[in-house]
Amino acid sequence: GDKVKQSPSALSLQEGTNSALRCNFSIAATTVQWFLQNPRGSLINLFYLVPGTKENGRLKSTFNSKESYSTLHIRDAQLEDSGTYFCAAEAGNMGYKLTFGTGTSLLVDP
Amino acid sequence: ETAVFQTPNYHVTQVGNEVSFNCKQTLGHDTMYWYKQDSKKLLKIMFSYNNKQLIVNETVPRRFSPQSSDKAHLNLRIKSVEPEDSAVYLCASAKIGTTEVFFGKGTRLTVV
Repeated sequence: GDKVKQSPSALSLQEGTNSALRCNFSIAATTVQWFLQNPRGSLINLFYLVPGTKENGRLKSTFNSKESYSTLHIRDAQLEDSGTYFCAAEAGNMGYKLTFGTGTSLLVDP
Repeated sequence: ETAVFQTPNYHVTQVGNEVSFNCKQTLGHDTMYWYKQDSKKLLKIMFSYNNKQLIVNETVPRRFSPQSSDKAHLNLRIKSVEPEDSAVYLCASAKIGTTEVFFGKGTRLTVV
């Protein structure tokens, strides 16, 4: 968890609002993945990033390798966005393994 | 359907027993992983296999042993389980040369 720090650890949003989650890396991350773990425990792939930005519907993610961070923006939050969001980073010399952050627990209220 | 499939979904066992979890991926990937998620939701890698060969073996107790019959299967055996082994065990796979991993739904182990 120390190599990948996520913030905030928990977040409560009203439906329809926007927010941003962040990961800071103390490893030389080369790729980043974002996942949503739903209440049933399944890890859903959201984004796989090399340095740059990707967008998918109401979600947008940026990975800045020079400044060692990644962000996940949620626009117009919906109830089904509730769950735990994880970022995970891979550093090129770590044998194809991901180092996970500690997660952001998101609750979207009506 | 192409995905990562794990069995069983849940398993409850007593301290000292042996358990075995199965994982199969139909994504055509060459690399498979076992991750452990503890009660605080921390996810840590345990093992990584590339085309049936072990390439990553994190510091896990020796009672844990991965078993791979082919690149689509990676099982996990735990000899003599202990209470701290209670966790969710997640299997994942990725294409060779990439770390874009896809996870199974996990096996929740409870040791009583």
